[in-house]
Amino acid sequence: SQKIEQNSEALNIQEGKTATLTCNYTNYSPAYLQWYRQDPGRGPVFLLLIRENEKEKRKERLKVTFDTTLKQSLFHITASQPADSATYLCALDNTGGFKTIFGAGTRLFVKA
Amino acid sequence: DAGITQSPRHKVTETGTPVTLRCHQTENHRYMYWYRQDPGHGLRLIHYSYGVKDTDKGEVSDGYSVSRSKTEDFLLTLESATSSQTSVYFCAIKPGQGDTGELFFGEGSRLTVL
Repeated sequence: SQKIEQNSEALNIQEGKTATLTCNYTNYSPAYLQWYRQDPGRGPVFLLLIRENEKEKRKERLKVTFDTTLKQSLFHITASQPADSATYLCALDNTGGFKTIFGAGTRLFVKA
Repeated sequence: DAGITQSPRHKVTETGTPVTLRCHQTENHRYMYWYRQDPGHGLRLIHYSYGVKDTDKGEVSDGYSVSRSKTEDFLLTLESATSSQTSVYFCAIKPGQGDTGELFFGEGSRLTVL
């Protein structure tokens, strides 16, 4: 069955460092991959989308890579800030894109 | 703001009672989704809709039904609630043709089934 794996352990880093989150998937050929941010008690908020033919995408302090051979995406937050503390969700869509499936998310804590 | 409103935001009910959650959108988007979120499982798709009266099942549809009689409203019904359906339910919309692009989520409906 299709599976998305994100590190279930929380990631704790110091302010100013780069946070790197991992998303691995199996039994899936996504047309594109997305990253969302979720704060406690709130709905997820879209951050970035990367297509299968793109290797890397950037938006301000965020960078996403997508390796369809390794079936892996890395999500980087550079110069991290305490305000970046949240849960980050990886999501995949296949061709057609009618169903988006999500990983369980990784909790990030940025310490001042 | 994607103009998505979920109601009720919080509900406590008893096992065996029917429950309906409502998702209302103001921008006439064609694609609407219902997810549930549980610790350790993340977001799981229950049902989705690609137009009025057009719906399909997601990965965890057992025990749930949906209806979409108007573009703006997508209803999720638990015919007979069970404790395993205690969860946070999120509605989402996908702008455009639905074949690409991000989801916009509501604020969630927290359901507790005693």
